Amino acid sequence: QVQLVQSGSELKKPGASVKVSCKASGYTFTSYAMNWVRQAPGQGLEWMGWINTNTGNPTYAQGFTGRFVFSLDTSVSTAYLQISSLKAEDTAVYYCARDSGGPTFDYWGQGTLVTVSS
Amino acid sequence: QSALTQPASVSGSPGQSITISCTGTSSDVGGYNYVSWYQQHPGKAPKLMIYDVSNRPSGVSNRFSGSKSGNTASLTISGLQAEDEADYSCCSYAGTNTWWMFGGGTKLTVL
Repeated sequence: QVQLVQSGSELKKPGASVKVSCKASGYTFTSYAMNWVRQAPGQGLEWMGWINTNTGNPTYAQGFTGRFVFSLDTSVSTAYLQISSLKAEDTAVYYCARDSGGPTFDYWGQGTLVTVSS
Repeated sequence: QSALTQPASVSGSPGQSITISCTGTSSDVGGYNYVSWYQQHPGKAPKLMIYDVSNRPSGVSNRFSGSKSGNTASLTISGLQAEDEADYSCCSYAGTNTWWMFGGGTKLTVL
């Protein structure tokens, strides 16, 4: 069965970096794009962007350029989200979500809570 | 670009039907038949309920249905059950510059 398993919660200080992983199983990793979605505490879902798992080409939503980087390691069917120069407002749950076309995010990771606090 | 507009909350009694709206513009909801809906229980990941405006994934109850008129998409839940109490979010394609856009989410309370 399809599964997306994300890395565990992170507590970081302002200015630090964090790398969240999303390991896929149960399907051919390169057949589906991978998206990243942010949910700040008590807030709605916010689409961050997606990465083409065939080419590795990322697309970032407005507001997620510069400090946010999507990457892949196709040898282990894993997508990564790296955030640098962390700020308190980056505190959120970050989800990876498989895209079967359109927006059809049919499978989601369990979410990774990133807390930024001094 | 602003998020799609959803009511903050809706409520209904068991057995009733409710509808959640998702209002955008001709550049997103109104321009494409690419609207999806997600259910999210507290502390859990979202779950796909409707895709391409009105299609249900395998395993999703036929009590859930989607539609669109102009710039507004709607999710209707019939025969409300206690387990339907959750947050619901819409998502629409918004063109190749913006790609995907979520609504602000609606909290459904089953009375």
